[in-house]
Amino acid sequence: AQSVTQPDIHITVSEGASLELRCNYSYGATPYLFWYVQSPGQGLQLLLKYFSGDTLVQGIKGFEAEFKRSQSSFNLRKPSVHWSDAAEYFCAVGRNSGYALNFGKGTSLLVTP
Amino acid sequence: EAGVAQSPRYKIIEKRQSVAFWCNPISGHATLYWYQQILGQGPKLLIQFQNNGVVDDSQLPKDRFSAERLKGVDSTLKIQPAKLEDSAVYLCASSLSGGKRVNTEAFFGQGTRLTVV
Repeated sequence: AQSVTQPDIHITVSEGASLELRCNYSYGATPYLFWYVQSPGQGLQLLLKYFSGDTLVQGIKGFEAEFKRSQSSFNLRKPSVHWSDAAEYFCAVGRNSGYALNFGKGTSLLVTP
Repeated sequence: EAGVAQSPRYKIIEKRQSVAFWCNPISGHATLYWYQQILGQGPKLLIQFQNNGVVDDSQLPKDRFSAERLKGVDSTLKIQPAKLEDSAVYLCASSLSGGKRVNTEAFFGQGTRLTVV
C-alpha cells in the first residue's frame, strides 16, 4: 500500500533560516505526492503537489519540493522561514483514486526569533 | 466562493452513545472525503464518495461507522456506538473531480472535534 514517512516529529528553525522537511514514500509506481500545512484552528491547506514531469515543484508561500525517485523522497524546502510558517506540515501520497490520500504523521515546525 | 462547511465544530459524548457529523462540500464538487485525525497523527481516509456512490471505504470501521451522501451533495458521518478511541477531529474535504490526472485540489473543512468520555 502507498505510504509516507516523515522522520522528524519536531523541527525548530530560526526566523530567516532555511528549512527542509523530510518525506519518504513507499510505492512501486510513480506516486502522486502532496504537502499540506495545518495551522492551529485552521483547516488543511495544500502547499504543492507532484503528479509527473519536472521533479522540482513550486508551491504557495515560497515553498518548493523535489521529487527524487532514487531516494524515494519528496522533501519540502523554503529558503527563508517566516514566523508565520510555524505550523504542522503533512506529506501525503495519493491512494488509488483522485485526491484520496495517505498522510504521514506530520512534522511540527517551531520558528524562533 | 464558500468553503467546505462542517457542523458541529465540537461535540462531547459518552461512550456507547451515537453521534452524527454533517458536511456541505463546495458547490459543484463531485467528490467528497471523510478523514479521521487522531491527536498527534496525520488524517486517515475513512470514506470517499463520487457523487452519491462510494469509491473507497476500505478504512471505515463498518461495525460502528456509517456515512451517506444521498443526493450527491451534503454528507453525514455517523458513529454508533462511540468508543473512547473515536476521539478525534473528523475532517471533510471535497474536490471538483476524483479523477487522478485532473489538476484539481481537495479543499478541507475546519473539522469537527469529537471527545468521547
